[in-house]
Amino acid sequence: DVVMTQTPVSLSVSLGGQVSISCRSSQSLVHNNGNTYLSWYLQKPGQSPQLLIYKVSNRFSGISDRFSGSGSGTDFTLKISRVEPDDLGVYYCGQGTQYPWTFGGGTKLELK
Amino acid sequence: EIQLQESGPGLVKPSQSLSLTCSVTGYTITSGYDWSWIRKFPGNKMEWMGYISNSGSTNYNPSLKIRISITRDTSKNQFFLQLNSVTTEDTATYYCARMGIKGFAYWGQGTLVTVSS
Repeated sequence: DVVMTQTPVSLSVSLGGQVSISCRSSQSLVHNNGNTYLSWYLQKPGQSPQLLIYKVSNRFSGISDRFSGSGSGTDFTLKISRVEPDDLGVYYCGQGTQYPWTFGGGTKLELK
Repeated sequence: EIQLQESGPGLVKPSQSLSLTCSVTGYTITSGYDWSWIRKFPGNKMEWMGYISNSGSTNYNPSLKIRISITRDTSKNQFFLQLNSVTTEDTATYYCARMGIKGFAYWGQGTLVTVSS
């Protein structure tokens, strides 16, 4: 299985600040078709996860441009700028390149 | 607007089977996409369990392969999870979700299943 390692496990941020979350995969996430199926999700307290970013850097419908994804191969980053209260929760990366699909362990974003 | 909703018992005894239903509205499950079950354990770990495709084929996580079955009722636009021989380690919040090339774009609200005698 592809192991997804997220760092840090938790993160404290001031409102209006910027944070980065790292996600590393144990194998390259480049699919045979040339696409890289790396997604980012946010689970807010009491809610189900929501898709933020797909295929490394594409924002899902309705997602603010304060969220940006980057990376390639095995190293990926999610950046959140101008953090707002509604951004708090647990962030997950997930890969859909190789079965079984797997997720990172999560990064909890809290207010400083 | 597509919506998914899980339903089923919240408490299951060890060694018994866990059965959940995902009811989908706003989209016909035979029209496209793969329809997955995902679970989140206490402590944040998430595990993709398997899917049933729009054509009815299935794909399971090898870690669960001998215990899991995903089926569907197209007349009711529902798909189902059955997990056999459960233990306390199967205690988790179970989600159904629609999977496409963009990832898991739509999720149900989740249902907590506790395995306990």
